[in-house]
Amino acid sequence: GQQVMQIPQYQHVQEGEDFTTYCNSSTTLSNIQWYKQRPGGHPVFLIQLVKSGEVKKQKRLTFQFGEAKKNSSLHITATQTTDVGTYFCADLTGANNLFFGTGTRLTVIP
Amino acid sequence: GAGVSQSPRYKVAKRGQDVALRCDPISGHVSLFWYQQALGQGPEFLTYFQNEAQLDKSGLPSDRFFAERPEGSVSTLKIQRTQQEDSAVYLCASSLFVGTNYGYTFGSGTRLTVV
Repeated sequence: GQQVMQIPQYQHVQEGEDFTTYCNSSTTLSNIQWYKQRPGGHPVFLIQLVKSGEVKKQKRLTFQFGEAKKNSSLHITATQTTDVGTYFCADLTGANNLFFGTGTRLTVIP
Repeated sequence: GAGVSQSPRYKVAKRGQDVALRCDPISGHVSLFWYQQALGQGPEFLTYFQNEAQLDKSGLPSDRFFAERPEGSVSTLKIQRTQQEDSAVYLCASSLFVGTNYGYTFGSGTRLTVV
């Protein structure tokens, strides 16, 4: 079945350090979406990647889609305490089902 | 409304009790999804509606789970004879278009605790 793994599972960084989470699949991904879930909150949509090798930026966040469409990454430059939360990648299949990865929980130490 | 609304926010059920969870999607949103999120895990897909049609219910864990969206707007997820393993947050999400580039908008969820 659908398996989308993310590494690391947990990451603690000092405020100002960079952070990267990686999303890997054993099968070709259709479209990748990224969500952020704050502690006690619900997932909030960040971005969608569609094309092989695509790179998108949102201020300090950089999203990449692998050339083979089997992996994706989210990089945050100079983390802030507001970046705390769990970051999920999710595969949007052709049937419009959204399958979430295992998530990376980010803690930022002030 | 401005967002996806779910009720109740919290529900405690005795084992064996039936529960009904409600989702009010954003007005006009065609697609509606239900997810189950266990503590410390990612959301797991349960079922998907396009308007009133339930197009995929492959994620429902057992025949104790039933979802409906009779008029293509409000949806209800019903769980019969609740078990402890049903304890989780149940999230509803909606989107305006099928296959949207704008992502899904999630509600705040219903936290179900079965005791």
